[in-house]
Amino acid sequence: DAGVIQSPRHEVTEMGQEVTLRCKPISGHNSLFWYRQTMMRGLELLIYFNNNVPIDDSGMPEDRFSAKMPNASFSTLKIQPSEPRDSAVYFCASSYSTDTQYFGPGTRLTVL
Amino acid sequence: AQSVSQHNHHVILSEAASLELGCNYSYGGTVNLFWYVQYPGQHLQLLLKYFSGDPLVKGIKGFEAEFIKSKFSFNLRKPSVQWSDTAEYFCAVKIIFGSGTRLSIRP
Repeated sequence: DAGVIQSPRHEVTEMGQEVTLRCKPISGHNSLFWYRQTMMRGLELLIYFNNNVPIDDSGMPEDRFSAKMPNASFSTLKIQPSEPRDSAVYFCASSYSTDTQYFGPGTRLTVL
Repeated sequence: AQSVSQHNHHVILSEAASLELGCNYSYGGTVNLFWYVQYPGQHLQLLLKYFSGDPLVKGIKGFEAEFIKSKFSFNLRKPSVQWSDTAEYFCAVKIIFGSGTRLSIRP
């Protein structure tokens, strides 16, 4: 298996633009997680899905952030409009239930 | 409330020193316990995990952790650290992560 795949790996955009991050989980995994990591705030859980259904989105910062999982092999995290404070590394991870989470390589987002 | 506490935010050791990183949790029910490691510039990866059985768990690269139910702890240990162990270490209970401990090793 190729592991968790995230795209793009790097994204530089200007304030106010829409940003879409993509994730392909490991086949057979039924849970998917989106995290944000910064030096200041550390690792934060934004949202997680179980069987494609959002279970807990309490970590989503505000209405500018939205996440979808239309099927078991694809998820998106969208920021609209983006702001400089959204600059961070965004990780996607997948697991089978509450077993080991496998993390993707991350997307480094810079909002100018 | 369910939580995981890692009280050491930054630990600095010399090579060959022994390591113990603390992890305490508050969680009702069955616990699945994990230690993840994040090397500089990389993503998190599993170091070791405990679900049941022998409370002393051995992981990769010489790391081990001990589950002590009475103390709600799952501390990570390594008898002799190397410079390559420089990383951030995260304890987790199921899907709840601690805030991480940054480990710096002086060569």
